[in-house]
Amino acid sequence: KNQVEQSPQSLIILEGKNCTLQCNYTVSPFSNLRWYKQDTGRGPVSLTIMTFSENTKSNGRYTATLDADTKQSSLHITASQLSDSASYICVVRTGTASKLTFGTGTRLQVTL
Amino acid sequence: EPEVTQTPSHQVTQMGQEVILRCVPISNHLYFYWYRQILGQKVEFLVSFYNNEISEKSEIFDDQFSVERPDGSNFTLKIRSTKLEDSAMYFCASSRSSSGNTIYFGEGSWLTVV
Repeated sequence: KNQVEQSPQSLIILEGKNCTLQCNYTVSPFSNLRWYKQDTGRGPVSLTIMTFSENTKSNGRYTATLDADTKQSSLHITASQLSDSASYICVVRTGTASKLTFGTGTRLQVTL
Repeated sequence: EPEVTQTPSHQVTQMGQEVILRCVPISNHLYFYWYRQILGQKVEFLVSFYNNEISEKSEIFDDQFSVERPDGSNFTLKIRSTKLEDSAMYFCASSRSSSGNTIYFGEGSWLTVV
């Protein structure tokens, strides 16, 4: 069964600090991996998309990594801001399917 | 930036009633999706739609559900005979292709069945 697991479940950090969120997946065949940001009560917004051959991809203060051998990904947020408070969701697409498999998300809270 | 728009943003309906959720995908996109998120749970795939037909659907998408693209711009999700457990946020999404492109999500329609 295709599954996407994320850790930690929740995280509180001080403004200006960095953090790293983890994602493990058991999806086959793998097509690509995406990180989304979801504010409470809003739709998910895409941050990055990574294919099998990509190890790292950055989008501003967000840097995603992918290890397709160990089926792990991480999302690193640099110099966090209060507006980064949201759920960060790891999403994997299988090779032949049009659907996405969502993780449960990491709820990040950035405080003063 | 172009966006996916959904209406209504919130609907309350009585159990057993029919509900239609509406979506206007991004204009040059060819693939359309419905997802749902029950409060406190993860987002779940319902159905994908391409070339005026369903391309894939999940076990959740049973005979109670149907989708339609009635006029070339709107994409609708119909839920017949709603149940309490249908209460959720329903997200419409669209993309230009089926694989590598970004999938853009709407802001969601919050359905409450009472």
